[in-house]
Amino acid sequence: QVQLVESGGGAVQPGRSLRLSCAASTFTFSTYGMHWVRQAPGKGLEWVAAISSGGSNEYYADSVKGRFTISRDNSKNTLSLELNSLTTEDTAVYYCARAASGGTYFDYWGQGTLVTVSS
Amino acid sequence: EIVLTQSPATLSLSPGERATLSCRTSQSISSYLAWYQQKPGQAPRLLIYDASNRATGIPARFSGSGSGTDFTLTISSLEPEDFAVYYCQQRTSWPITFGQGTRLEIK
Repeated sequence: QVQLVESGGGAVQPGRSLRLSCAASTFTFSTYGMHWVRQAPGKGLEWVAAISSGGSNEYYADSVKGRFTISRDNSKNTLSLELNSLTTEDTAVYYCARAASGGTYFDYWGQGTLVTVSS
Repeated sequence: EIVLTQSPATLSLSPGERATLSCRTSQSISSYLAWYQQKPGQAPRLLIYDASNRATGIPARFSGSGSGTDFTLTISSLEPEDFAVYYCQQRTSWPITFGQGTRLEIK
């Protein structure tokens, strides 16, 4: 069964940085696009960033562009998200999600990691 | 950015009843729409992709229809485990966007 396990969340002050990781297993990681999707407490889903299977293409939501950086290491089956200049608006559960073959839908999700930005 | 508007915000029904959830998009997205189910404390689960195709393992009581700007998720006969929040999502253009969700609650 496909597994995606996020880590790296926690409490951080505004303006600080954090790095999230997602460990992938039981599928050929290097052949799938990957995404980060977040969900603020009690709110809906917000797509954050995407990276192509080989890592050459990146896409970002306007709300995080210039502050967040998505990356991947196909040799280690790991997806990362670097979060800089954090604000309270970035408080959310961050999910990594696999892009389904043939389309930009999310067929597998991790359990999520909570990022809390507060002074 | 393509805006997705889901209705109703909350739907109160009883087990065994039929549920009809709507998703409208601010511009045509052909059939590039997905539906997800999310239960409290869990990650979303893909139900339907490309408007009408059930994802692997999804029961036949879930069906999707529509194209262009109007889409519908139908649950033919509600089971107790179907009460959850449902989101639609488009993949036609960046940024990927979701609807605000419909909460399906037990009446």
